[in-house]
Amino acid sequence: DGGITQSPKYLFRKEGQNVTLSCEQNLNHDAMYWYRQDPGQGLRLIYYSQIVNDFQKGDIAEGYSVSREKKESFPLTVTSAQKNPTAFYLCASSTQGNGLFFGSGTQLSVL
Amino acid sequence: QKEVEQNSGPLSVPEGAIASLNCTYSDRGSQSFFWYRQYSGKSPELIMSIYSNGDKEDGRFTAQLNKASQYVSLLIRDSQPSDSATYLCAVNGRSGSARQLTFGSGTQLTVLP
Repeated sequence: DGGITQSPKYLFRKEGQNVTLSCEQNLNHDAMYWYRQDPGQGLRLIYYSQIVNDFQKGDIAEGYSVSREKKESFPLTVTSAQKNPTAFYLCASSTQGNGLFFGSGTQLSVL
Repeated sequence: QKEVEQNSGPLSVPEGAIASLNCTYSDRGSQSFFWYRQYSGKSPELIMSIYSNGDKEDGRFTAQLNKASQYVSLLIRDSQPSDSATYLCAVNGRSGSARQLTFGSGTQLTVLP
């Protein structure tokens, strides 16, 4: 079945630690995205990539980094510079002009 | 003014009734409009997309778009308890790229048995 796989489902970060969230898709979509969702709020764009080896900052990129070495994969690293990382992180993919399809999400919490 | 506004709710309707969810947007050049359903603790699921003025029906769901009024709505007929969720409106800007997709903060719907 085609879809987007995010892992892990839950992740805990210690202060000063970098953590990486995985996102893999087999939908053959060119574009991939990372969003952050805080309780009671809408989704905010962190980074997006429209082709391999290229990515762009979204609205809240500070404290995050990404890579896009393969079409299928778009991992997100939450660095120690992100001082308020607790949130629900959503990876998505799309084809031009269509809506986004989301993975199941990763809940990140700070220990 | 927020770019995409929704009533946060909660909106409660009895089972079998019509639930009406509303969304307004500020960018008059917006091209594409989407409704997502999000159950608690889960990821958003695309349920409707609409691109031109008028109504679009899919099963119990009807999306309505009025670009002149910058207004898009979602009607859910014969509401079921399983429809209880948060509904997110998303609007795409002029370029059509998902980079320009802006989400509202969502309306929480509760369907009472």
